[in-house]
Amino acid sequence: GAVVSQHPSWVICKSGTSVKIECRSLDFQATTMFWYRQFPKQSLMLMATSNEGSKATYEQGVEKDKFLINHASLTLSTLTVTSAHPEDSSFYICSALFLGELFFGEGSRLTVL
Amino acid sequence: AQKVTQAQTEISVVEKEDVTLDCVYETRDTTYYLFWYKQPPSGELVFLIRRNSFDEQNEISGRYSWNFQKSTSSFNFTITASQVVDSAVYFCALSGSTNQAGTALIFGKGTTLSVSS
Repeated sequence: GAVVSQHPSWVICKSGTSVKIECRSLDFQATTMFWYRQFPKQSLMLMATSNEGSKATYEQGVEKDKFLINHASLTLSTLTVTSAHPEDSSFYICSALFLGELFFGEGSRLTVL
Repeated sequence: AQKVTQAQTEISVVEKEDVTLDCVYETRDTTYYLFWYKQPPSGELVFLIRRNSFDEQNEISGRYSWNFQKSTSSFNFTITASQVVDSAVYFCALSGSTNQAGTALIFGKGTTLSVSS
């Protein structure tokens, strides 16, 4: 099946710094990718829809200036958490749409100190 | 609006017991898809099943079975003869037609299943 890979798997950063998380489709091209956030013991909440070559569509309540999404190629979408704060600590998961199917990455665990 | 309700927050069973995880959904779409995912402690989502709204046949895969009833908007998941390795968080999810680009999944809050030996 199609493979989606995220990097890094986990990252620890200091408050105020920016962190970039990559989501790659390894064996297919994805014009659409989705970014989810999951707080401990909670569900996955859709943050934004990333479309190759255009601006991402953010869900209500998600700050587009804080969570920068770039989908510059058909195999890569990046999520940058700018000026991270401890409340941004979460599990971030991406998924890619391919031939009507959704494929999920392994997730990236962000801890902001 | 689309919504998925998993009323059971946590379930604890002893090995070899059967367990059913409930899922109730709301949607105004006539075409939609229902999913179940398993999330072990590692965090990675493991795909279990996808069912489209036009297929109400029950599905069985090994110890897993799913009961889809449109009349009650439910898509319940049963594990027969549970094992310790089944311990995980299970999510039910809903989407519109995935043939349309840009359709994301709406997840329920998840049910944490603990199977003890």
